[in-house]
Amino acid sequence: GQQVMQIPQYQHVQEGEDFTTYCNSSTTLSNIQWYKQRPGGHPVFLIQLVKSGEVKKQKRLTFQFGEAKKNSSLHITATQTTDVGTYFCAGLTGANNLFFGTGTRLTVIP
Amino acid sequence: KAGVTQTPRYLIKTRGQQVTLSCSPISGHRSVSWYQQTPGQGLQFLFEYFSETQRNKGNFPGRFSGRQFSNSRSEMNVSTLELGDSALYLCASSLMGQGPTGELFFGEGSRLTVL
Repeated sequence: GQQVMQIPQYQHVQEGEDFTTYCNSSTTLSNIQWYKQRPGGHPVFLIQLVKSGEVKKQKRLTFQFGEAKKNSSLHITATQTTDVGTYFCAGLTGANNLFFGTGTRLTVIP
Repeated sequence: KAGVTQTPRYLIKTRGQQVTLSCSPISGHRSVSWYQQTPGQGLQFLFEYFSETQRNKGNFPGRFSGRQFSNSRSEMNVSTLELGDSALYLCASSLMGQGPTGELFFGEGSRLTVL
């Protein structure tokens, strides 16, 4: 069945280090979305990628969508304590079903 | 503009009981999706409603059901509760639903504990 795998499950970094989370789908996606969930909070939309090979930046965050539209990554440069939370990718299939990845929980050590 | 409102925020039930959760989407949003979030399974899609019709359904047993009213408010119901139903239930609204412009706006969730 359709799956969106996300790695790593957990990541601990020192403040100032970089962080990357990866998503892989078993099938081609129409688009991929990224969400951030702070501890005790709810997921908040970050960005949507639609085109093959697309790269988008939001300040220290860089999002990529693979050429085959089956994988995506989120890279944070020089992490800050405000970056803590769980980052989810969500892939949309051609049948308009949205599958969330299992999430990567980021801890930033001051 | 008010966000997505879910009620109740917390509830405790016992096995075998049923529960109804409510979600009021952002004004103007016609799509409401429901998700179950547990530590081990992440965000699992339950169903999506659009203009009072169930448009998509996840892989959950028939004990899980939902509906949407003409004002786009949605309810989900879980009957014959099991311990494994303990979870955070998240509702998300969007303008047009899951699709190319389907950014989801999540509510704070309803945390259900089944004893």
